[in-house]
Amino acid sequence: GAGVSQSPSNKVTEKGKDVELRCDPISGHTALYWYRQRLGQGLEFLIYFQGNSAPDKSGLPSDRFSAERTGESVSTLTIQRTQQEDSAVYLCASSLVWGLADPLENEQFFGPGTRLTVL
Amino acid sequence: AQKVTQAQTEISVVEKEDVTLDCVYETRDTTYYLFWYKQPPSGELVFLIRRNSFDEQNEISGRYSWNFQKSTSSFNFTITASQVVDSAVYFCALSTIGGSYIPTFGRGTSLIVHP
Repeated sequence: GAGVSQSPSNKVTEKGKDVELRCDPISGHTALYWYRQRLGQGLEFLIYFQGNSAPDKSGLPSDRFSAERTGESVSTLTIQRTQQEDSAVYLCASSLVWGLADPLENEQFFGPGTRLTVL
Repeated sequence: AQKVTQAQTEISVVEKEDVTLDCVYETRDTTYYLFWYKQPPSGELVFLIRRNSFDEQNEISGRYSWNFQKSTSSFNFTITASQVVDSAVYFCALSTIGGSYIPTFGRGTSLIVHP
């Protein structure tokens, strides 16, 4: 069975350009999460989806960041007018459900990440 | 607010040594979950363990063991007889209902095991 996949694996862009990062969750997983990992730092939560709904967008760093999800499948994270401080690895995870009704169903499976470098 | 502190930035050991990775957490919630993840050089986080706040039993899985102590708000991870393949960054995380179950991660500890 396929795990969480992300594309591209690496993205180098110039400051000011827009980028789109893609996440394909595990089939059947209703919850999807985006994290940012700066060099030498822990994971910074950005946003999660339950189905195609994102109840809490407060983790997005600025209004240049947006995310959407189609049904219970692919999600895209878009960064507009990229800045050098956006350089990081962007990790996506999915879980069967959101919340901890059953911890076993809530286990997050992570993708390999997209390494974004803004020159 | 919730917080996870992994004070050790990097640990370097020689193969077969035992090593303990520290994790200290802060939360006001009485119900919470603690996690450890491994991030090998490939970048993909691998889930290792989840422990809820009501279960203070220590756990052992092969060469891995975890020591959960509520009195000191710590959830330490020990690798016995380390191997080169254990080299990775290890993250401790905390999730609570007050945090909408979104895990808060520590900064990670980079473990380097030399042959």
